[in-house]
Amino acid sequence: AQSVSQHNHHVILSEAASLELGCNYSYGGTVNLFWYVQYPGQHLQLLLKYFSGDPLVKGIKGFEAEFIKSKFSFNLRKPSVQWSDTAEYFCAVNRPGGSYIPTFGRGTSLIVHP
Amino acid sequence: NAGVTQTPKFRVLKTGQSMTLLCAQDMNHEYMYWYRQDPGMGLRLIHYSVGEGTTAKGEVPDGYNVSRLKKQNFLLGLESAAPSQTSVYFCASSYGPTQYFGPGTRLTVL
Repeated sequence: AQSVSQHNHHVILSEAASLELGCNYSYGGTVNLFWYVQYPGQHLQLLLKYFSGDPLVKGIKGFEAEFIKSKFSFNLRKPSVQWSDTAEYFCAVNRPGGSYIPTFGRGTSLIVHP
Repeated sequence: NAGVTQTPKFRVLKTGQSMTLLCAQDMNHEYMYWYRQDPGMGLRLIHYSVGEGTTAKGEVPDGYNVSRLKKQNFLLGLESAAPSQTSVYFCASSYGPTQYFGPGTRLTVL
């Protein structure tokens, strides 16, 4: 069974600081990779995704993620965070085809101080 | 399009009571999912459906039942609620790899 590890459970930053959230997965075959964001009191929304092609993926609100196959990693980055980025971030993995059942990481809570 | 909607938004139950959560989607998606979200646990899949009339167990199915009688609706039932089922429940739908989530139902079981 595949698993997803998010190494940072809680991150606190000041505005304008750079952000990198780690995500590693265990499955060795072809995977689809996602980062979802959950703003306080809201539902999960897709931030960015990787299916194939350029391993550097750009998403909404200035976020990007890099797929490194050899490291089984899909880390999320943002060069300069804003207070409005305060949210919980989830990494998820599923395998192409079938019922697309995803495996989610446990989430990283990001607090950005103004 | 409303996307994915869930009713109710909040509910308080007593131990042993039963209830049904409704998820509806207007995107004609084949796949639908029910998750529970608990602090520090991420999202855990309860049940899912790959089409009308089909359901399957996820990671944490015990104490829950589901039905998908219509393509647009996915119902989650709690037969006899327990305090351990206090959680936020999210429904999602998809036609491919990307999931679209509903706003959630916050359930408290006393």
